[in-house]
Amino acid sequence: GNSVTQMEGPVTLSEEAFLTINCTYTATGYPSLFWYVQYPGEGLQLLLKATKADDKGSNKGFEATYRKETTSFHLEKGSVQVSDSAVYFCALSEPPGGGADGLTFGKGTHLIIQP
Amino acid sequence: NAGVTQTPKFQVLKTGQSMTLQCAQDMNHNSMYWYRQDPGMGLRLIYYSASEGTTDKGEVPNGYNVSRLNKREFSLRLESAAPSQTSVYFCATLLGGSTDTQYFGPGTRLTVL
Repeated sequence: GNSVTQMEGPVTLSEEAFLTINCTYTATGYPSLFWYVQYPGEGLQLLLKATKADDKGSNKGFEATYRKETTSFHLEKGSVQVSDSAVYFCALSEPPGGGADGLTFGKGTHLIIQP
Repeated sequence: NAGVTQTPKFQVLKTGQSMTLQCAQDMNHNSMYWYRQDPGMGLRLIYYSASEGTTDKGEVPNGYNVSRLNKREFSLRLESAAPSQTSVYFCATLLGGSTDTQYFGPGTRLTVL
């Protein structure tokens, strides 16, 4: 079956540091890939997505590139802010939207940004 | 538009009690999902509904029932709550077809004592 593996935290960085959160996946076919963010006490919000190899998703200064050859979708940001403190989930869907299997999620990475 | 709404936001139950978690959407999406979120486990699918009147089991359906009586609403029922069902429950929707982005509600935090 499908699976997503991401680095577990917490990850603690200083403001303006460079961020990388690693995500790798296993899928039987050609999935769509997502990063969702969950701020304290809230639900999940879509941060970015990519649907085919070499696509780059980007939003709010975050980027991730769909690497089929390494089955990875690492999340990066050049300069993090305190407001980026949240839990980040890598996820995949196969078929589109997930169908009866829903989205397959990683366990989440808790990011803490210190002033 | 409210998007995806869930009620209640918080609930405390005693073992053996029953309750229904409600989810409603005004996005005119076809598919709806219930997930549970546990520490260190990510989100796991409980049930899925592709359309009104149809439901399918997900990864962790035991102890739950669902109902999709119309396009807008998808409810999750715990008939006899157990401490293992202490979790945060999220409802999500998907337009369907070739679209691939699910939209999530704010969640219900359930504690079973």
